[in-house]
Amino acid sequence: EPEVTQTPSHQVTQMGQEVILRCVPISNHLYFYWYRQILGQKVEFLVSFYNNEISEKSEIFDDQFSVERPDGSNFTLKIRSTKLEDSAMYFCASSLSGANVLTFGAGSRLTVL
Amino acid sequence: DQQVKQNSPSLSVQEGRISILNCDYTNSMFDYFLWYKKYPAEGPTFLISISSIKDKNEDGRFTVFLNKSAKHLSLHIVPSQPGDSAVYFCAASPANNDMRFGAGTRLTVKP
Repeated sequence: EPEVTQTPSHQVTQMGQEVILRCVPISNHLYFYWYRQILGQKVEFLVSFYNNEISEKSEIFDDQFSVERPDGSNFTLKIRSTKLEDSAMYFCASSLSGANVLTFGAGSRLTVL
Repeated sequence: DQQVKQNSPSLSVQEGRISILNCDYTNSMFDYFLWYKKYPAEGPTFLISISSIKDKNEDGRFTVFLNKSAKHLSLHIVPSQPGDSAVYFCAASPANNDMRFGAGTRLTVKP
């Protein structure tokens, strides 16, 4: 069964460092998303991406965050200067169309020290 | 931004009994509702959905009910099995795919 793959599974970084989280969505999917879940809290929407541009973003997705689809297969989330409160599990997801059923990756755990 | 609320953080039921997970929403623009199931160390997986034109959708042991006037939906699992133990997220979206998730309810099904 096709799956969304995310790397790394766990990254530890120092506050202020840049982090790039990588995702390979399902190959024929057209919509891409990043969500995050801070430990013990709810899953929060960060950003959606379609047709090589951001289609929606939440208030969490500030100037420190950016997304890119550099080569037609990867979908990356960059955090420019990490803060302690960025520590969370980051989930990538993709969907085929506006059918709204998302397929999620297993997540990348980011720990900012 | 609590547009989707799951007020029960946890639920424990006996194997074979019915599990009922509840979800409330505030945004009347939501027209598509989903339940996702999440095991530890895995991403959420899609379980069942319902559009706003229906009030019930059934798939095997899982049934989702939608009460639009009350802005409430629920997931019924019957009979519950130990393998159903997971965190269940309610999610809702309008047509633009900006899906909002509830905080999740941890279901424990005891053998």
